[in-house]
Amino acid sequence: QITLKESGPTLVKPTQTLTLTCTFSGFSLTTNGVGVGWIRQPPGKALEWLALIYWDDDKRYSPSLKSRVTITKDTSKNQVALTVTNMYPVDTATYYCAHWVRASSAGDYFFDLWGRGTLVTVSS
Amino acid sequence: DIQMTQSPSSLSAFVGDRVTITCRASQSIDRYLNWYQQKPGEAPKLLIYAASNLQNGVSSRFSGRGSRTDFILTISSLQPEDSATYYCQQSHSSLGYTFGQGTKLEIK
Repeated sequence: QITLKESGPTLVKPTQTLTLTCTFSGFSLTTNGVGVGWIRQPPGKALEWLALIYWDDDKRYSPSLKSRVTITKDTSKNQVALTVTNMYPVDTATYYCAHWVRASSAGDYFFDLWGRGTLVTVSS
Repeated sequence: DIQMTQSPSSLSAFVGDRVTITCRASQSIDRYLNWYQQKPGEAPKLLIYAASNLQNGVSSRFSGRGSRTDFILTISSLQPEDSATYYCQQSHSSLGYTFGQGTKLEIK
């Protein structure tokens, strides 16, 4: 059974750096074709994809946030971390991590399982 | 990056109705299109992947079709538990695995 859980601060001050951790079980991030991604959702708004890391350490970032976001993995701990620099109130959102997997070698990837999310508020 | 546009932004329908939601990509994404359902206070749930493949355990009332730039999610015989927001997502371009802006479905 695959599970993912986000953890980190619930409140950060403007200009601070946010670091969130996704701790997962039920799969290995060394398995070919597997990845973990981060997605956020401001209150009442749409989902926004932020970053993704693959089993081979290939990393992908949202073009609009690429200068502020870093994703890393620790396969020994089954964890993926997301760092977002220079946080501002507009970054207030629920941050989700999710399991990224493909149905075939054709590369048809999707997020099949998600964590419950963690609400991060940016306020002084 | 690829923009994903859903229509309508919201809709209201009766139990038993057939509902369609459209998702349009700003450029061709072949069939790399996923659909998710999100209920208030919950994480999104995968419904359809690769345009038309039903995720395990998802009701067969949900179906998807399309290719290149135009995609449709259909819910046949709407049920009360289908009240949710639906999102499309493209998985074609590693420049950004973009989501649509969402379609909020209300059951009358």
